[in-house]
Amino acid sequence: RKEVEQDPGPFNVPEGATVAFNCTYSNSASQSFFWYRQDCRKEPKLLMSVYSSGNEDGRFTAQLNRASQYISLLIRDSKLSDSATYLCVVSSGGYNKLIFGAGTRLAVHP
Amino acid sequence: GAVVSQHPSWVICKSGTSVKIECRSLDFQATTMFWYRQFPKQSLMLMATSNEGSKATYEQGVEKDKFLINHASLTLSTLTVTSAHPEDSSFYICSALPLANTYYEQFFGPGTRLTVL
Repeated sequence: RKEVEQDPGPFNVPEGATVAFNCTYSNSASQSFFWYRQDCRKEPKLLMSVYSSGNEDGRFTAQLNRASQYISLLIRDSKLSDSATYLCVVSSGGYNKLIFGAGTRLAVHP
Repeated sequence: GAVVSQHPSWVICKSGTSVKIECRSLDFQATTMFWYRQFPKQSLMLMATSNEGSKATYEQGVEKDKFLINHASLTLSTLTVTSAHPEDSSFYICSALPLANTYYEQFFGPGTRLTVL
């Protein structure tokens, strides 16, 4: 079983749609959780850190369920510029090592 | 803030040569930097953890004699791919962990695309 699992997609959605990505992780000792965004042939960029209470940043909402070892990302009112691969990232038991999911590709079309 | 640079951004070299990649944190200090490799359509794979002033910690399956890491200061880590071969062609990305970071967010450099002929 992979340490971090994501639906690879691709998710093809029209502009304005709401889309949700899910992620599960296997290491119950993980303490830090993130969503990164990666554009084609570019480095990952931090989109959001995910906290236990859930957090929102504009059109983006992240949730964490430690009991189920599950993380989600909701994007509302999708824009063309949201097209990218979204990486679910979890710290290893040692905190500062990050384990990356394989990513979920999102394509927003007009 | 939290800007990380990498140099070079791309390099093409002949098989058997060595290639050095630099990773710098421009506006913060980082005792820990990380080196990742990403093959096409795959996710990032951690190669090694680089700690300032000490030896790097390599992940299983990564040859430490082939991928030499030096972390001489709080703002610079280097990765040298020695005797590069075509199978080493990949996207190499570094990241840095700011000293004052309490949630362990890593900030990534723009990556170095290595092509070995």
